[in-house]
Amino acid sequence: GQSLEQPSEVTAVEGAIVQINCTYQTSGFYGLSWYQQHDGGAPTFLSYNALDGLEETGRFSSFLSRSDSYGYLLLQELQMKDSASYFCAVTPNGGATNKLIFGTGTLLAVQP
Amino acid sequence: DGGITQSPKYLFRKEGQNVTLSCEQNLNHDAMYWYRQDPGQGLRLIYYSQIVNDFQKGDIAEGYSVSREKKESFPLTVTSAQKNPTAFYLCASSWGRDTGELFFGEGSRLTVL
Repeated sequence: GQSLEQPSEVTAVEGAIVQINCTYQTSGFYGLSWYQQHDGGAPTFLSYNALDGLEETGRFSSFLSRSDSYGYLLLQELQMKDSASYFCAVTPNGGATNKLIFGTGTLLAVQP
Repeated sequence: DGGITQSPKYLFRKEGQNVTLSCEQNLNHDAMYWYRQDPGQGLRLIYYSQIVNDFQKGDIAEGYSVSREKKESFPLTVTSAQKNPTAFYLCASSWGRDTGELFFGEGSRLTVL
């Protein structure tokens, strides 16, 4: 089967940099996605790594290393509005289009 | 405005009653999905559909049913056979190619009393 593990909670201060890790056990997948979800709201797409390496989108960057079964989301210049849950997700090989399996989620608390 | 609309946002039902959650999208997406989220947990796939008139079970399909009669609509019925139906239900859609990107609705919160 597939499983994706994330730290349950991370705390950081405004203006800092934080890294949220995602380790996975899966036989193969198309790519690693990251989503943000504010309390009680809809998850929103942040990034997608189809290949190994770093993808940068503004203050957010995402990294994937298939050889290490590991990825992370890097948030820079943290703002209070970044307080939310963050989920990594993969689409297993041979599965339906974008049939994502989600990680356990990391609750990020940004403090003043 | 293109997007996904779920209704109702909040729903209360008695045990033993079936309930149907609505999901409509005007993004012209081929694929649609239903996920369930329990407090403090990740999303688990209930059902998904890649084309009209076809759908497949996800990881936790027992006690749920769906239909896909139109491209825009993918309603989910929570039946009385679902043992623990109280949860936050999220509908999503995507293009018909692997992009890792799902577009989610605002969710329906079902409470069974």
